[in-house]
Amino acid sequence: NAGVTQTPKFRILKIGQSMTLQCAQDMNHNYMYWYRQDPGMGLKLIYYSVGAGITDKGEVPNGYNVSRSTTEDFPLRLELAAPSQTSVYFCASKTGIGLGAKNIQYFGAGTRLSVL
Amino acid sequence: KQEVTQIPAALSVPEGENLVLNCSFTDSAIYNLQWFRQDPGKGLTSLLLIQSSQREQTSGRLNASLDKSSGRSTLYIAASQPGDSATYLCAVRRSDYKLSFGAGTTVTVRA
Repeated sequence: NAGVTQTPKFRILKIGQSMTLQCAQDMNHNYMYWYRQDPGMGLKLIYYSVGAGITDKGEVPNGYNVSRSTTEDFPLRLELAAPSQTSVYFCASKTGIGLGAKNIQYFGAGTRLSVL
Repeated sequence: KQEVTQIPAALSVPEGENLVLNCSFTDSAIYNLQWFRQDPGKGLTSLLLIQSSQREQTSGRLNASLDKSSGRSTLYIAASQPGDSATYLCAVRRSDYKLSFGAGTTVTVRA
């Protein structure tokens, strides 16, 4: 019953450091997403993927990179961490395009990142 | 550009009172609208999804309405309980298949 699993749950980075946020889903979903949530704001889409080997930019992609080598995994990489990247990061997945339940996105518990 | 607004940002009610949460969006060309619940330190859980052709959806004590032409949705929670305390977010699915989220309404139900 794992669903969407994100690791780590918390992380503190120094400016200029790099790290990879991990996301894995066991529901065989084609679509996967990375969002960031800043205090008092809605979620903003960073990157998304419609299937293995296919990724595309969202609204706020600068400073991030992604890859999708398997259906299950969708890691998000920060190359040169900046204080503006302090946020809570959520990974989500859904089965595909269509009506009803296919449109429901399932979210991980999030990664809280601080860049100091 | 789709903008999603949720007012109020926070709401506190006594147990048993009905909750009314509002969501408005600027572009009526949407595919669907979802309501999510977010507990502190947790991810989002989908509560209800309304297709653009539907007027409302119901699940237990929850009822969500959609008026696409006026760009509004309302989430009703009947007979609120302390366990309903959480942040509720609405999100609209745009024509490019991506979700635009509101900032959420934080609800506190007092016992």
